[in-house]
Amino acid sequence: QSVLTQPPSVSGAPGQRVTISCTGSSSNIGAGSDVHWYQQFPGTAPRPLIYVNVNRPSGVPDRFSGSKSGTSAALAITGLQAEDEAYYYCQSYDSGLSGWVFGGGTKVTVL
Amino acid sequence: EVQLLESGGALVQPGGSLRLSCAASGFPFSSYAMTWVRQAPGKGLEWVSLIGGSGGSTFYAESLKGRVTISRDNSRNTLYLQMNSLRAEDTAVYYCAKLRGQHYNNYYMDVWGKGTTVTVS
Repeated sequence: QSVLTQPPSVSGAPGQRVTISCTGSSSNIGAGSDVHWYQQFPGTAPRPLIYVNVNRPSGVPDRFSGSKSGTSAALAITGLQAEDEAYYYCQSYDSGLSGWVFGGGTKVTVL
Repeated sequence: EVQLLESGGALVQPGGSLRLSCAASGFPFSSYAMTWVRQAPGKGLEWVSLIGGSGGSTFYAESLKGRVTISRDNSRNTLYLQMNSLRAEDTAVYYCAKLRGQHYNNYYMDVWGKGTTVTVS
């Protein structure tokens, strides 16, 4: 069981908006730890998608956006495209564990 | 270009040991904390261990504490992970990653290697 909880899967038609939630607790997101998001295609290494809650690395399309509130965070993909079909992971720091934690991952399917 | 290249993955018997390496290039290695993350077949990402830039601070996932040791050689721009008493559940792709951030609670992995595969069987 992951410390950060994500839905196993979300899906949407091309052009639609989908959101992926990342629910934590008072020892991680709720304690003020920042949330970061990674995108991973099968057989490849993850790549950073959103860092420090809302920031996009250069090269990441602006259809990806992040938010954080309370003990949760969310990744939104607007204008869903076929190439967005991948796995997405949230990551934060947990002060209770004194370690870094990932969500269980969410598979995004483009219908 | 910033690059990380892992090596050392292998097929090893249960109870065996392995040392993974991660060769870094393209950035001032000693200025950055580094981390290992693993991914078991068909599973999600799992943080393994982290080391500060000077090597003086180390952190481990509870599930691996006592069986793994992270270290670095800043003169060789290389990160290591010594793994002992290996179990079948340690079978995974092991990634090294460079960290960015000002404090533990905002560290994130901005550059990843391609990974090296450890199989315990």
